[in-house]
Amino acid sequence: EDKVVQSPLSLVVHEGDTVTLNCSYEVTNFRSLLWYKQEKKAPTFLFMLTSSGIEKKSGRLSSILDKKELSSILNITATQTGDSAIYLCAVAIIQGAQKLVFGQGTRLTINP
Amino acid sequence: GAGVSQSPSNKVTEKGKDVELRCDPISGHTALYWYRQSLGQGLEFLIYFQGNSAPDKSGLPSDRFSAERTGGSVSTLTIQRTQQEDSAVYLCASSFRAYTAEVLWETQYFGPGTRLLVL
Repeated sequence: EDKVVQSPLSLVVHEGDTVTLNCSYEVTNFRSLLWYKQEKKAPTFLFMLTSSGIEKKSGRLSSILDKKELSSILNITATQTGDSAIYLCAVAIIQGAQKLVFGQGTRLTINP
Repeated sequence: GAGVSQSPSNKVTEKGKDVELRCDPISGHTALYWYRQSLGQGLEFLIYFQGNSAPDKSGLPSDRFSAERTGGSVSTLTIQRTQQEDSAVYLCASSFRAYTAEVLWETQYFGPGTRLLVL
């Protein structure tokens, strides 16, 4: 069974701290790994990773994929209260169609 | 609008009633997905449409669930004889599939979701 596991499930830090969110997966027919930020209801796309060891950056956020370890991390530096959200990791697999298998999410709370 | 839209945003219904949830994908996106997010759970794949191909219904939890996509655009997810365990946020996503050097590139963009509560 395809599985994506995120850790920690919940994290509370102070503004300005740096956080690292983890995602590990066991899937067949891996195509890519995606990170989403979910505030309220709709997840918004952050990164798509297909190659191992290549860091993707967007402002204070960065992410990297390790295909050998079947994992990815999402780093957020100099956190702000607006970073508070659920961060979802999803792995795209091919089973006929391309599907996303999601992890449980990490609920990140940034306190002022 | 430029994004995926869904309606209604909230729906409260009584157990046993049928409900219809609507999704308008981003114009030009050929692929459309339905997911369900139950309280405290991750996102669960339900059904997938790609162009004119037969839909992939492998994620539908029971035969009470069905979906159609008319004209390759708008999609409707129907839940018949709703049960309390159907209460969840139902999210729709659309994407445009592209191939580069035989690598499938696809990013799914999500709508705001419909929060369904079955009493």
